[in-house]
Amino acid sequence: QLQLQESGPGLLRPSETLSLTCTVSGGSLNDPTYYWGWLRQPPGKGLEWIGSIDYSGPTFYNPSLKSRLTISVDTSRNRFSLTLTSVTAADTAVYYCASNHRATRLYYFDYWGQGTLVTVSS
Amino acid sequence: SYEMTQPLSVSVALGETARLTCGADNIGIRNLHWYQQRPGQAPVLVMYRDDNRPSGIPERFSGSNSGNTATLTISRVQAGDEGDYYCQVWYNYTGVFGGGTKLTVL
Repeated sequence: QLQLQESGPGLLRPSETLSLTCTVSGGSLNDPTYYWGWLRQPPGKGLEWIGSIDYSGPTFYNPSLKSRLTISVDTSRNRFSLTLTSVTAADTAVYYCASNHRATRLYYFDYWGQGTLVTVSS
Repeated sequence: SYEMTQPLSVSVALGETARLTCGADNIGIRNLHWYQQRPGQAPVLVMYRDDNRPSGIPERFSGSNSGNTATLTISRVQAGDEGDYYCQVWYNYTGVFGGGTKLTVL
């Protein structure tokens, strides 16, 4: 069974760059069953998909974040990462990584990390 | 973009049946998935491709999707079913979530 774990700083200043990493265990990033996704949830609000990546490199980004967003994959370390530039208070959220099941073109999120709270504040 | 509408809240008595809806234009042609999120926890997939339960999800959970409305039905509701429920589709190479419904068990 897949297990995912987010890591990264919990506090950022406005205009800084957010970098998060998701380490995957119990499976391989090379598994063609999955994309690998990032999602977030602002305090008291709903879920927002940030983006997903295929192990071979293709990425899919939320259009509202695309200009600030990079998602990359490191298959040698079995982890994938998120970089979000020029953060503001609106980027304060719990950030989740998740496996994005893509077999038979269904595209659901079946395994989730526990989430990590990122706060943007001066 | 593709917008899906969920009622903000649904209340149901213990042991009764809860019906949570997700509405959107022609949602019935899309593969629709549901997530449960208990307070302070990560979301959990409870239904995929409209009416398929992942391993470990009780049979009390069922789903349907037709026309402009998808429905997650929870029979014999238990206190542990309380939480937020989100619908999700994959649209035009993007993940899209509904706004979520808070289920309260009375």
